[in-house]
Amino acid sequence: GQQLNQSPQSMFIQEGEDVSMNCTSSSIFNTWLWYKQDPGEGPVLLIALYKAGELTSNGRLTAQFGITRKDSFLNISASIPSDVGIYFCAGQQGGSEKLVFGKGMKLTVNP
Amino acid sequence: DGGITQSPKYLFRKEGQNVTLSCEQNLNHDAMYWYRQDPGQGLRLIYYSQIVNDFQKGDIAEGYSVSREKKESFPLTVTSAQKNPTAFYLCASTNRGFNYGYTFGSGTRLTVV
Repeated sequence: GQQLNQSPQSMFIQEGEDVSMNCTSSSIFNTWLWYKQDPGEGPVLLIALYKAGELTSNGRLTAQFGITRKDSFLNISASIPSDVGIYFCAGQQGGSEKLVFGKGMKLTVNP
Repeated sequence: DGGITQSPKYLFRKEGQNVTLSCEQNLNHDAMYWYRQDPGQGLRLIYYSQIVNDFQKGDIAEGYSVSREKKESFPLTVTSAQKNPTAFYLCASTNRGFNYGYTFGSGTRLTVV
């Protein structure tokens, strides 16, 4: 099945640092979503983006819907230990009720 | 509180046995999904259902079966035909307008012993 190209696959950072990750696709998407998964739990929605160029923040998180509608990025500022987990991007194409997911980015934050 | 509940959290299966994973939602969502998660593989779609009494195969349906007799429930059976069933299984649901992405359950970890 189709999958988004998510990078990087993992990051090891120090507490207080910023982190950025992105997702790209060869196809156009109408909606971009970013999820976080804590170990042993299900993913939880962080940010949803619905318009090309849209920039949305949720606390220390900022995400953007790319102008070409083929990419999105997520930035976490001033990381804290509870930011550890796997971050997934997901996209929805017009007329489809199935999300396409990236493979995830595993974040480790050293205190 | 509305949500989606998966049970059990941990499940052990002997070789050759069928097991059923439960997924129940009280969000009044029409569509429900089953994903399998393996380390480094992301989320792979097993089956999905957009309406009661109807469901479609996803990318890795072989060795799995589902039913959708009620809007609230979408159980997944892992059959003995699934050769490598050890994984983390996630259930999700969404509304037909698809405004807010999926709501996920907390997952079931299945281990073959």
